[in-house]
Amino acid sequence: DSGVTQTPKHLITATGQRVTLRCSPRSGDLSVYWYQQSLDQGLQFLIQYYNGEERAKGNILERFSAQQFPDLHSELNLSSLELGDSALYFCASSGRTGSNSPLHFGNGTRLTVT
Amino acid sequence: QQQVKQSPQSLIVQKGGIPIINCAYENTAFDYFPWYQQFPGKGPALLIAIRPDVSEKKEGRFTISFNKSAKQFSLHIMDSQPGDSATYFCAASKDNNNDMRFGAGTRLTVKP
Repeated sequence: DSGVTQTPKHLITATGQRVTLRCSPRSGDLSVYWYQQSLDQGLQFLIQYYNGEERAKGNILERFSAQQFPDLHSELNLSSLELGDSALYFCASSGRTGSNSPLHFGNGTRLTVT
Repeated sequence: QQQVKQSPQSLIVQKGGIPIINCAYENTAFDYFPWYQQFPGKGPALLIAIRPDVSEKKEGRFTISFNKSAKQFSLHIMDSQPGDSATYFCAASKDNNNDMRFGAGTRLTVKP
């Protein structure tokens, strides 16, 4: 068990809808990362937060947004959903940015857009 | 833009064989190169990692070879076992974890 909790495990929704994915990092970890995993693209980095502030941004669509709250949990909001957004969404956490702390991944949220 | 290229996409070996997975990166600012192992239904888990100041690192049956001039690194699994069957991802980042980029993954199957 990595200590990173993601909810929900599965999500089925229709095109055009909006969903929120939640991540609770390991106790004490300040950094949270979001990744999208689809069959043909591997793990795509979306965005990173450190202690509530955005630290790095990857290939995140404008329809997607995220935030990290004062209690360090994070939410990834996906709106105007398209069929191509169907994927596994992983959250990871680490201790401190720039340290030797490895990424610890949750078990992901599987999003299916119909 | 794929900053880390991984090959092969899939690999099948017999038990006891030595599968080798290769990765190449583009950004010379990367200074941390981990490998992650992912089993079905689970998130990736750190397996082993290397920094560019060494050319090789071993942890148990897993070895990373690193070639800084060629911007390539590879994972070798000695005496592979069926339990090693999983998807392996190489990755690269600056300052350990900032903006970590992953390869596309290699699905390894070790046959008994």
